[in-house]
Amino acid sequence: AQRVTQPEKLLSVFKGAPVELKCNYSYSGSPELFWYVQYSRQRLQLLLRHISRESIKGFTADLNKGETSFHLKKPFAQEEDSAMYYCARNLIYNQGGKLIFGQGTELSVKP
Amino acid sequence: GAVVSQHPSWVICKSGTSVKIECRSLDFQATTMFWYRQFPKQSLMLMATSNEGSKATYEQGVEKDKFLINHASLTLSTLTVTSAHPEDSSFYICSARDPTGAGNTIYFGEGSWLTVV
Repeated sequence: AQRVTQPEKLLSVFKGAPVELKCNYSYSGSPELFWYVQYSRQRLQLLLRHISRESIKGFTADLNKGETSFHLKKPFAQEEDSAMYYCARNLIYNQGGKLIFGQGTELSVKP
Repeated sequence: GAVVSQHPSWVICKSGTSVKIECRSLDFQATTMFWYRQFPKQSLMLMATSNEGSKATYEQGVEKDKFLINHASLTLSTLTVTSAHPEDSSFYICSARDPTGAGNTIYFGEGSWLTVV
């Protein structure tokens, strides 16, 4: 079965420190991977998708097929980055929506 | 940007009754919507794919007679939890695919809390 694993339930850092949220996936075909963020009392929203190779709010994520990883990184964390972060992959290639999610990592950025 | 709205945001019902949750795409037509379930401090679990004008596709282990899905229009999908039991209490989230968006953009609803007492 396809799986997405986020090993850390909680990641706590100080403002200005680098952040890396880990995500590993089980290999199967051509993965499409995403990072979603859920701020307190708000809906889930897309942060990054691997095919875009973009940087959003200072976050980047690189797909490493050799390590089957898609870790989310930010060089300098801000307090407003505190949220739940979910790594997800598309179950059907190039047909968005049918996603499996990792367990989520709560990022807490302390002042 | 596009918005997906769920109603109600929270609902309490008695055991044995049925409860309906609506998912609407407000400014785009969604031929496909998805329903997820999330237990506290756990991940989202895909329950089913809702297809406009046809039967929903359920994931393994999800009882289709328990969780009835209807997608009667291009902007509305409903999830009905039938004969609800306390173990059905959960956070239910829908998402909708905007086929006109880049890369089949997905938008999530705000979620609906169901408590069965």
